[in-house]
Amino acid sequence: SQQGEEDPQALSIQEGENATMNCSYKTSINNLQWYRQNSGRGLVHLILIRSNEREKHSGRLRVTLDTSKKSSSLLITASRAADTASYFCARNTGGFKTIFGAGTRLFVKA
Amino acid sequence: ETGVTQSPTHLIKTRGQQVTLRCSSQSGHNTVSWYQQALGQGPQFIFQYYREEENGRGNFPPRFSGLQFPNYSSELNVNALELDDSALYLCASSPEIAGGKGDTQYFGPGTRLTVL
Repeated sequence: SQQGEEDPQALSIQEGENATMNCSYKTSINNLQWYRQNSGRGLVHLILIRSNEREKHSGRLRVTLDTSKKSSSLLITASRAADTASYFCARNTGGFKTIFGAGTRLFVKA
Repeated sequence: ETGVTQSPTHLIKTRGQQVTLRCSSQSGHNTVSWYQQALGQGPQFIFQYYREEENGRGNFPPRFSGLQFPNYSSELNVNALELDDSALYLCASSPEIAGGKGDTQYFGPGTRLTVL
């Protein structure tokens, strides 16, 4: 079963708006990663945030991590139609295994 | 493009058959992980190979097996296929520095397996 949970399951917004996706988990982590997947194809790595970091930025993406609440969020600013995809958080506890959540399906309307 | 390739793109098999899926890792990567992704779900970890040895395994039965070759390409073999094995199978490679320890993974485009 998935041990990382994304919220919401689906999100529909207008182009230009911001999109926020949340991820919660139950056990301590070494790092947490966010990936994007277009139309059931391969996943594209977006950002990795380590357990001792609180915030990271990459272009229009901002990821925060709150280890006390065991949660992370991904913010996409000024969304575009091309941002339409599924977004997954994936956590690693320091071993070989990376655990993915069920994903948030984002739809950006032009 | 991540430099990770998978073949075939699509595959149709019948229940009880065996299948082999192939993955070519990104240059310089010696760790490969395989995932099964059912429709509408996130990827589920099957197993990982590091320097040709199985480095860890998820909750999949022994009929799911793998190999990693000296050139770091790899195979996923599934015996006695079941209907529930229908899914997208993804491989992901990681660089030497990660040593398989949960760093950034570079995914291939996947193989869509349909079991009838």
